Amino acid sequence: QKEVEQNSGPLSVPEGAIASLNCTYSDRGSQSFFWYRQYSGKSPELIMSIYSNGDKEDGRFTAQLNKASQYVSLLIRDSQPSDSATYLCAVNWDTGGFKTIFGAGTRLFVKA
Amino acid sequence: KAGVTQTPRYLIKTRGQQVTLSCSPISGHRSVSWYQQTPGQGLQFLFEYFSETQRNKGNFPGRFSGRQFSNSRSEMNVSTLELGDSALYLCASQGRTAEAFFGQGTRLTVV
Repeated sequence: QKEVEQNSGPLSVPEGAIASLNCTYSDRGSQSFFWYRQYSGKSPELIMSIYSNGDKEDGRFTAQLNKASQYVSLLIRDSQPSDSATYLCAVNWDTGGFKTIFGAGTRLFVKA
Repeated sequence: KAGVTQTPRYLIKTRGQQVTLSCSPISGHRSVSWYQQTPGQGLQFLFEYFSETQRNKGNFPGRFSGRQFSNSRSEMNVSTLELGDSALYLCASQGRTAEAFFGQGTRLTVV
């Protein structure tokens, strides 16, 4: 099993819809979780971090974490064409430093 | 507040050569992580440096090495370049948490 797994997509949603992105990870102790967005030809940029079970909302984005199921998701409400990008799930395991492992990413297309 | 600066932005090298990439993290950040990004493998963790010490390492051969200086700037070196080393190399700056802030990357092409 890969350490961090995502459906590569592409995921296509109409403008204004909710986009749901999912990620599973290997359970190896204490972790912190992140979602990054990467536009084509650009570097990843951090959009959400989540550290404990439950939901965390920031504007149109909601991250959800379920450690018992080893599952983290990102919901994008009112999707806009500008949200079209690759979304990367990342997990950092507590190794006495930072070792953040990324999933392969899910390509999202928002159709106008 | 300045972001993460990587130099050079583009490089073309010949097989067998070596290359050194540079990264200056966000001011005040002491941790620098390096990643290789390719279309087939995605973002792969190379190593992480903190206070001039390598704290974590990924699954790359010994041809990939790095170091960090007292001002937190970091360099990554790849020796005996292979065609498969062609990739985007990204540096990430981290402060007190694992939240990573990436530079623009160095695009390495090995011919």
